[in-house]
Amino acid sequence: QKEVEQNSGPLSVPEGAIASLNCTYSDRVSQSFFWYRQYSGKSPELIMSIYSNGDKEDGRFTAQLNKASQYVSLLIRDSQPSDSATYLCAGNSGGYQKVTFGTGTKLQVIP
Amino acid sequence: GAVVSQHPSWVICKSGTSVKIECRSLDFQATTMFWYRQFPKQSLMLMATSNEGSKATYEQGVEKDKFLINHASLTLSTLTVTSAHPEDSSFYICSAITGTSGEQYFGPGTRLTVT
Repeated sequence: QKEVEQNSGPLSVPEGAIASLNCTYSDRVSQSFFWYRQYSGKSPELIMSIYSNGDKEDGRFTAQLNKASQYVSLLIRDSQPSDSATYLCAGNSGGYQKVTFGTGTKLQVIP
Repeated sequence: GAVVSQHPSWVICKSGTSVKIECRSLDFQATTMFWYRQFPKQSLMLMATSNEGSKATYEQGVEKDKFLINHASLTLSTLTVTSAHPEDSSFYICSAITGTSGEQYFGPGTRLTVT
């Protein structure tokens, strides 16, 4: 099993809908989790960090962490065409310096 | 806060020459910096991890003699691609962390084209 797994997509949602992005992880990745957004041709941008079980909200974004089930998700409410990007899930694997990235899920928000 | 810059943003060089890419943390001291490479439509590939004042740790399959990393200070790391070849053409991205949160802040990337 890969340490961090994501569905590559693309995930298509209509404008205004909720986009739900999911990520599962192995036992080796267990501490902190991060969501990054990467526009085509650009570098990743950190949008959310989550360290404990439950939900964390920041504007239109909500990160959810369930350590028992080993998954972390990102919800984007009121999706906009500008949210169209690849979303990378990442987690610590044995120390704060060792962060493992998933391969990313491409999100397309259809106007 | 947490701004990382890279220079140059793009570079074209001839096969056999060397290219240096700079990565700077502008408003924080970076305990650790990372160098990634990304080919079109592919995921990030970690090349190496560097800590200030010590030798970089390279990922398996990355040639340390070809990709020279120097982390001279808490705000500057450089990647030198030596004897570049067309297959080295890629998008090179650095990132930096501060403290122990694990949050990485990425530079804007450097697009290298080797002709």
